[in-house]
Amino acid sequence: EPEVTQTPSHQVTQMGQEVILRCVPISNHLYFYWYRQILGQKVEFLVSFYNNEISEKSEIFDDQFSVERPDGSNFTLKIRSTKLEDSAMYFCASNILYRADTEAFFGQGTRLTVV
Amino acid sequence: GENVEQHPSTLSVQEGDSAVIKCTYSDSASNYFPWYKQELGKGPQLIIDIRSNVGEKKDQRIAVTLNKTAKHFSLHITETQPEDSAVYFCAASILTGGGNKLTFGTGTQLKVEL
Repeated sequence: EPEVTQTPSHQVTQMGQEVILRCVPISNHLYFYWYRQILGQKVEFLVSFYNNEISEKSEIFDDQFSVERPDGSNFTLKIRSTKLEDSAMYFCASNILYRADTEAFFGQGTRLTVV
Repeated sequence: GENVEQHPSTLSVQEGDSAVIKCTYSDSASNYFPWYKQELGKGPQLIIDIRSNVGEKKDQRIAVTLNKTAKHFSLHITETQPEDSAVYFCAASILTGGGNKLTFGTGTQLKVEL
């Protein structure tokens, strides 16, 4: 069964450092997303990406965040200068979206710990 | 924007009993309502979803109902088993130019006790 793959599973970084979280969406999917989940809280939308550009972003997704699809398979989330409050589980998701109501497949997540 | 409320935050049931989780949404344009199960340390996994043109959907022990007028939808799990213990999230979606952005509820920690 096809799945969304995320690496690394756990990333520890010092405050102020840059981190890149990587995702390989399902191969025939067209829409890609990043969500985050602070420990014990709900999953929150960060950004959606389609046709090599950001299509929507939340208030959380400020200038410190960026996304990129550097090749035909990877989808990355970069945080330029990490803050303590960036510590969270980050989930990548993708879907094919021929209609509005299609399943979003989530990866296993990357736990980011900023110290 | 869309706001999704979910209740209860925790639910404890005896094995074999039924569990019901309820959600409300704010935006009448929402047309897709998935339910996700999240086990510890894992990503959300879709367990069932419902479209806005359907009032009820069932898949074995799991069912979801949708009331568009009242803007609420519910998850029903019958004959609960210990492996049903997890956090359950409801979500609502509106098609935008950018895709299928999901707005999640706050989650329900379901514990099925032996």
